[in-house]
Amino acid sequence: DIQMTQSPSSLSASVGDRVTITCRASQGIGNDLGWFQQKPGKAPKRLIYAASSLQSGVPSRFSGSGSGTEFTLTISSLQPEDFATYYCLQHNSYPRTFGQGTQVEIK
Amino acid sequence: EVQLVESGGGLVKPGGSLRLSCAASGFTFSGYSMNWVRQAPGKGLEWVSSISSSSFYIFYADSVKGRFTISRDNAKTSLYLQMDSLRAEDTAVYFCVRGTDGDYDSWGQGTLVTVSS
Repeated sequence: DIQMTQSPSSLSASVGDRVTITCRASQGIGNDLGWFQQKPGKAPKRLIYAASSLQSGVPSRFSGSGSGTEFTLTISSLQPEDFATYYCLQHNSYPRTFGQGTQVEIK
Repeated sequence: EVQLVESGGGLVKPGGSLRLSCAASGFTFSGYSMNWVRQAPGKGLEWVSSISSSSFYIFYADSVKGRFTISRDNAKTSLYLQMDSLRAEDTAVYFCVRGTDGDYDSWGQGTLVTVSS
């Protein structure tokens, strides 16, 4: 099974800050990775697919990069509506595996 | 607009059964793989099961293999999850998710399953 190690598990940041979240895969997955945002009581929403492609309708302050085993989600300028939990998902092989999540909180 | 609406959740005793349904609309259901993902209270996301567009390929997480059965009815544009021998650790919100090139692009709002005596 491919393990996805996501870091940090939580972070505190201010509006306007640049935020970076990392996912590391235990083996190479090419670019078979997505990033999701989840707000309390809501379903996850896809932000990034194929590691670096922006989902239609998602603000351009979100970006993804990486391939192989190391991936990054960057929020260039944190906005109030971005405070949420973020997850990565590898879909290279079964079982599909999610990162443990990163909770982004207001400083 | 893609819509995925889950139903069938509720309270069930350990060892009991429950069948979840997901009604899909707004897209050609028969052209997409479908998935179930769950989230235990206060925890992260866990993939449960996937089914290909024609039902030819089916996959399960080890934690549910032999107890859960995924199925679909393309004529009714519906996805199902039959859950048997339920355990306390199956307590979670279950999401129905559309798959696109393996990735998960659209999610339902979820249905809560509580396993407790």
